[in-house]
Amino acid sequence: ETGVTQTPRHLVMGMTNKKSLKCEQHLGHNAMYWYKQSAKKPLELMFVYSLEERVENNSVPSRFSPECPNSSHLFLHLHTLQPEDSALYLCASSQDRTGLFTEAFFGQGTRLTVV
Amino acid sequence: GQQVMQIPQYQHVQEGEDFTTYCNSSTTLSNIQWYKQRPGGHPVFLIQLVKSGEVKKQKRLTFQFGEAKKNSSLHITATQTTDVGTYFCAGFGAESNYQLIWGAGTKLIIKP
Repeated sequence: ETGVTQTPRHLVMGMTNKKSLKCEQHLGHNAMYWYKQSAKKPLELMFVYSLEERVENNSVPSRFSPECPNSSHLFLHLHTLQPEDSALYLCASSQDRTGLFTEAFFGQGTRLTVV
Repeated sequence: GQQVMQIPQYQHVQEGEDFTTYCNSSTTLSNIQWYKQRPGGHPVFLIQLVKSGEVKKQKRLTFQFGEAKKNSSLHITATQTTDVGTYFCAGFGAESNYQLIWGAGTKLIIKP
């Protein structure tokens, strides 16, 4: 148990569906992140939130839409995805976004399959 | 943009042999972090190195940060089956706009 919980663990969705991934952290951290992990690729940072404000959007297609209603919760809304979006989506949090306390605590991930 | 190159991509070892993975950054880093991801799991933080030339040990694991703060290594002595997984380095600094830049990982495989 890392203190970061993601749901669902597995998701299969059609290209016309709309779904949401949920992340909750119980660590009192100030920063939260969405990562995409595909086979044989480095971890791709998608979005960064610091104190509920989005500070980075790394050229992610608009079919991915993040939401951070408070410092403990992070959502990733998905719509009209493509098969190449199939991957493991990881949520992470860290105490701070900069400085020494940037160690990332990851959730267990959502394995997404787009059919 | 800033990149962190990690080699090798895979390393097959007999149990009891040593294992090393290397990371090189295109720019100077403020710090470098190391993570381990077990098969089917998520990345778990191992250690952070901050100082030039720093060496840290965790039991059989030795982590080094280069003098120029652009390269780092992880060495495991006498590997065990519990060491199986993928080891990632992630560099952090002003050049990357304070985002962790991840290496592609080195997968440690223990030969049967």
